[in-house]
Amino acid sequence: AQKVTQAQTEISVVEKEDVTLDCVYETRDTTYYLFWYKQPPSGELVFLIRRNSFDEQNEISGRYSWNFQKSTSSFNFTITASQVVDSAVYFCALSEANYGQNFVFGPGTRLSVLP
Amino acid sequence: GAGVSQSPSNKVTEKGKDVELRCDPISGHTALYWYRQSLGQGLEFLIYFQGNSAPDKSGLPSDRFSAERTGGSVSTLTIQRTQQEDSAVYLCASSFGSYLSYEQYFGPGTRLTVT
Repeated sequence: AQKVTQAQTEISVVEKEDVTLDCVYETRDTTYYLFWYKQPPSGELVFLIRRNSFDEQNEISGRYSWNFQKSTSSFNFTITASQVVDSAVYFCALSEANYGQNFVFGPGTRLSVLP
Repeated sequence: GAGVSQSPSNKVTEKGKDVELRCDPISGHTALYWYRQSLGQGLEFLIYFQGNSAPDKSGLPSDRFSAERTGGSVSTLTIQRTQQEDSAVYLCASSFGSYLSYEQYFGPGTRLTVT
């Protein structure tokens, strides 16, 4: 069955620190997709990135980077030089191409960036 | 273009009453999802519509919950005989493609409070 674990419930950092949010997944499928979403205090979830299981290249987008490692079933998200506006709940999600019928979201990690 | 819209934004109802929540997906998106998010919790999948196919209702928590999608566009989530444990934010999302590989775009949610 699909499962997504985000072991860090809450993280607090001081502005300009780097922070990594962990995501570990379980799947029996060989083709699957991983996602990160941001939910700021306003409440609306915002899509950040999608990665398919055949593409293990790390991705960088500005201060954001993602490290996908199939060997450890992890898809970690790093924010470099964090800013107060990064404060939000971050969700990792998984969908399976062949077995799953829907998305499975992790429980989320609440990130607080303090000035 | 316009994003996913949901109405009402807030709904307070008495225990035992029925409520209807509405979702207008992004034009052209064929897939539509409903989720429930309890206070401080992750996203709980409720139901998934894809085009004209039979919906995936596997996440509906009880037979008091039902959903329709008319004309492949607008969707209504109905909760009958509401209970206090139904209090949550109900999120709707839509996506472009017919596969779970596509990212979802979320609406602002309807906050339901059952008194």
